[in-house]
Amino acid sequence: EDQVTQSPEALRLQEGESSSLNCSYTVSGLRGLFWYRQDPGKGPEFLFTLYSAGEEKEKERLKATLTKKESFLHITAPKPEDSATYLCAVGLNAGNMLTFGGGTRLMVKP
Amino acid sequence: GAGVSQSPSNKVTEKGKDVELRCDPISGHTALYWYRQSLGQGLEFLIYFQGNSAPDKSGLPSDRFSAERTGGSVSTLTIQRTQQEDSAVYLCASSLGGAGETQYFGPGTRLLVL
Repeated sequence: EDQVTQSPEALRLQEGESSSLNCSYTVSGLRGLFWYRQDPGKGPEFLFTLYSAGEEKEKERLKATLTKKESFLHITAPKPEDSATYLCAVGLNAGNMLTFGGGTRLMVKP
Repeated sequence: GAGVSQSPSNKVTEKGKDVELRCDPISGHTALYWYRQSLGQGLEFLIYFQGNSAPDKSGLPSDRFSAERTGGSVSTLTIQRTQQEDSAVYLCASSLGGAGETQYFGPGTRLLVL
């Protein structure tokens, strides 16, 4: 069975304290791995798409990496406005939908 | 450009009533998806439309749920005889092409069944 697991479920950081969020997956035929940010009461906002192991993408304080078993979302020197739930999802060669992990709720304190 | 829009933003209904949720995808996007987000359940796929192809309904939880997409654009998700367990946020997404393309989400419709 295809599975996507995110850890930790919740993470508290001080402003400026860098850390990483993990998304591990057990799937057959990965087509792409997607990272989204979701603020309370809003829909998921697209961040990155990664298609092959070794690929990296960066945007401001965020950097996403991909291996054959997992993806990391690295947050460098986070600010309070980075507080949100970060969702990881996989698209498979067989199937039309995204399969989501449970998300990591990030809280950055000033 | 305009993103995915959904209406209504919030809907409160009584158990047993029917509800209709609307989604306007990004202009030019051929694929449209519906997902449901419940507390403690995460996001789960409901249905997928791509162009004129038959929709992928494999995620619909029961026959009370149905969806249509008119003219390859606007979509309506209908829930008949609503139950309390239908309470959730219903999210619509669209993508430029089919499966594997980046999906862009709307703000969601928050449904509460009393």
